[in-house]
Amino acid sequence: NAGVTQTPKFQVLKTGQSMTLQCAQDMNHEYMSWYRQDPGMGLRLIHYSVGAGITDQGEVPNGYNVSRSTTEDFPLRLLSAAPSQTSVYFCATSKGLSYGYTFGSGTRLTVV
Amino acid sequence: AQTVTQSQPEMSVQEAETVTLSCTYDTSESDYYLFWYKQPPSRQMILVIRQEAYKQQNATENRFSVNFQKAAKSFSLKISDSQLGDAAMYFCAYRGPGTASKLTFGTGTRLQVTL
Repeated sequence: NAGVTQTPKFQVLKTGQSMTLQCAQDMNHEYMSWYRQDPGMGLRLIHYSVGAGITDQGEVPNGYNVSRSTTEDFPLRLLSAAPSQTSVYFCATSKGLSYGYTFGSGTRLTVV
Repeated sequence: AQTVTQSQPEMSVQEAETVTLSCTYDTSESDYYLFWYKQPPSRQMILVIRQEAYKQQNATENRFSVNFQKAAKSFSLKISDSQLGDAAMYFCAYRGPGTASKLTFGTGTRLQVTL
């Protein structure tokens, strides 16, 4: 049981490049989310999904795209990377409202 | 929109002592969930404790307990018998009712544990 697997762990991009952050879970959780963590700002929600085929925007969705074709996978796409997207990105899953979220180990992304 | 406030950017505690981290939140809901997460230097987010708003009894997990004051919208975390391994960032988080509810985090409190 791997839990929540995020890849890659580190990435450096040039401004304007695109990339996909991968998130996979083997716990059959319906809820999946992407957060970004910046110093002094806590974690902010980018996009989330309440089940396969259903996604919605969070607090800071601009510049990011998501899809949820299966229960297991929830990739985050950066369409055209900008230095403001330099951050640590976390994928998180939950099996229900009263349960906390289980987090992946994070991806540190630097855009130069 | 719900907001979560952690007014202590940094706290320090001596090993074996007790420390309390503060958290307040703003919501118009009556049914919701509150969480404390720990983030050590490894950056992994670890769930420490959770509280359902409809439960009056304060949650406890070993050395960790909460003081949940619903009317005051306060949710503090008490760490007893502090250990060096407790040094980390601690985040308070709120989750509202409804199937599309999201987790809203505070800005965190950095806890140092000294000998």
